[in-house]
Amino acid sequence: GQNIDQPTEMTATEGAIVQINCTYQTSGFNGLFWYQQHAGEAPTFLSYNVLDGLEEKGRFSSFLSRSKGYSYLLLKELQMKDSASYLCAVRDRTGNQFYFGTGTSLTVIP
Amino acid sequence: DSGVTQTPKHLITATGQRVTLRCSPRSGDLSVYWYQQSLDQGLQFLIQYYNGEERAKGNILERFSAQQFPDLHSELNLSSLELGDSALYFCASSVRQGMDEQFFGPGTRLTVL
Repeated sequence: GQNIDQPTEMTATEGAIVQINCTYQTSGFNGLFWYQQHAGEAPTFLSYNVLDGLEEKGRFSSFLSRSKGYSYLLLKELQMKDSASYLCAVRDRTGNQFYFGTGTSLTVIP
Repeated sequence: DSGVTQTPKHLITATGQRVTLRCSPRSGDLSVYWYQQSLDQGLQFLIQYYNGEERAKGNILERFSAQQFPDLHSELNLSSLELGDSALYFCASSVRQGMDEQFFGPGTRLTVL
């Protein structure tokens, strides 16, 4: 089966750094994705990890440890527009199915 | 704008009815995915098509069906609708079969009364 866990809500201050964790237990693994979703809008791609380590992309970084079934998304220099839901998704062994967590709702406060 | 289009944007219907949701992938994308997102749940993968063929099935009810046409657009058919089917339905596309990031359409909000 598939089980993906993320914190439900987080709050952080504008200009700060926040780390959103994701743990997963899946019957197969072929990559982990992070998406951002503003309320009522479509998810947009942020990052992708298939090997262990850190992937950096501007203000966003994502880390993966396959042995621990663990990933995090790091957001630096937080801006008000970063208030959104952040979805962790695991791609299965076949590469055809994606399993999403329920998302972490991040609120950035002044 | 992701380049993926979905119609209609909103749909209100009654229990027991049947509806069809339409999706046009980004130009050049061969793979289409359908997802359901309810208020209390995350994105639930329903089904995937690649170049006209069904390639993966997720938590899709038997009352739901989909197809991808030769021009690569896809339709999701929902029948015998129940109140619990009220949700946002997203279509996403990618270039290849599951090996690339997905680009999501704006979604169709279905309300079953």
